[in-house]
Amino acid sequence: DAKTTQPNSMESNEEEPVHLPCNHSTISGTDYIHWYRQLPSQGPEYVIHGLTSNVNNRMASLAIAEDRKSSTLILHRATLRDAAVYYCILRGGSQGNLIFGKGTKLSVKP
Amino acid sequence: GAVVSQHPSWVICKSGTSVKIECRSLDFQATTMFWYRQFPKQSLMLMATSNEGSKATYEQGVEKDKFLINHASLTLSTLTVTSAHPEDSSFYICSALALLTGDNQPQHFGDGTRLSIL
Repeated sequence: DAKTTQPNSMESNEEEPVHLPCNHSTISGTDYIHWYRQLPSQGPEYVIHGLTSNVNNRMASLAIAEDRKSSTLILHRATLRDAAVYYCILRGGSQGNLIFGKGTKLSVKP
Repeated sequence: GAVVSQHPSWVICKSGTSVKIECRSLDFQATTMFWYRQFPKQSLMLMATSNEGSKATYEQGVEKDKFLINHASLTLSTLTVTSAHPEDSSFYICSALALLTGDNQPQHFGDGTRLSIL
């Protein structure tokens, strides 16, 4: 699996938007970009995924660069419950496993 | 939808004991289930991949005789840590991939099992 690079940590204020970046310069044409998050003492939770076009769901938006070498997870209004480690993962194929990096630890201040 | 239940959520036992962890997909059928291990302040590490009705595929460095995986049905996989020792203490997490095709389906994770070996 191609590698991703994320900042170790980020801080945000409650009710403000948060942009979590991810670089994946060696992404291949068939790799999907997945985002998961892990709250303390819980298993990871699926957030969003995409291939080429920007994606929106009830949790977040995913903005994918035109050359696909980077992407940004957007939380439109951060809440305290969004404090977690966010993982950006590339996955090829429909049965591929997930290789977790260190992720970005997001802190949300009230 | 897409709920994965993991049981037990935590277990404390003596060294030398074998411990079984169950992972169930409650509202979908899972062709493939994955087992991860996570040590404190570290990321998840994939231990093995199991497909229903066939032998699990273990990642390099994971002892297949120590970590027994059984995936007997499309909704249940079990991980048995045999003769557990203190160094096996960790957070074990399973995930499941739904029996669907196309568009790179996401994995659904259980809430993990915290294993402490005394």
